[in-house]
Amino acid sequence: GAGVSQSPSNKVTEKGKDVELRCDPISGHTALYWYRQRLGQGLEFLIYFQGNSAPDKSGLPSDRFSAERTGESVSTLTIQRTQQEDSAVYLCASSRQGRTTEAFFGQGTRLTVV
Amino acid sequence: KQEVTQIPAALSVPEGENLVLNCSFTDSAIYNLQWFRQDPGKGLTSLLLIQSSQREQTSGRLNASLDKSSGRSTLYIAASQPGDSATYLCAVPFGNEKLTFGTGTRLTIIP
Repeated sequence: GAGVSQSPSNKVTEKGKDVELRCDPISGHTALYWYRQRLGQGLEFLIYFQGNSAPDKSGLPSDRFSAERTGESVSTLTIQRTQQEDSAVYLCASSRQGRTTEAFFGQGTRLTVV
Repeated sequence: KQEVTQIPAALSVPEGENLVLNCSFTDSAIYNLQWFRQDPGKGLTSLLLIQSSQREQTSGRLNASLDKSSGRSTLYIAASQPGDSATYLCAVPFGNEKLTFGTGTRLTIIP
């Protein structure tokens, strides 16, 4: 596609429910990032995928968070047993070759846990 | 650990003025530096990518400079317009490749 696409754009869920967020990277981009941005805060790194290498999961805040990516295609970020502190905008980005190339972001998914 | 700082946190200038935003980083072993803008409630829009071998990069009214040795980058905006109002973020990939972001400068252009 023309850009990074994220869905849904907004998600309201009840505390304790599981949610799945989707990211479609730009075609041909091998690198994919997930970030979290709480209201009024900076970007918090969550996870990084680069080609077929093992993902860098060092930013995942707890074992309730997981992410998958098959090859160089779609990625899903799953949050289990959501808590109110998970409320944030979840941003996905992709780049052609990782650290040496320009990263492009999607519009984000705004998650609200009530 | 790479740390990225942006000063000031907020800036207001009258329309038409030229302005400079600052970004500093603690580890000069960077591959590149990227500037983004973020509008309220939106994702990030890439503005400029400047490679470590470059000293500056230009796109329209924007000019980014990079001084690796001093750990600094500046984003120069010429002839500012109200539509330039946004939060500006700089980011560097480091080590294990994740992008490390500054905390941003919130820019307001006063008509």
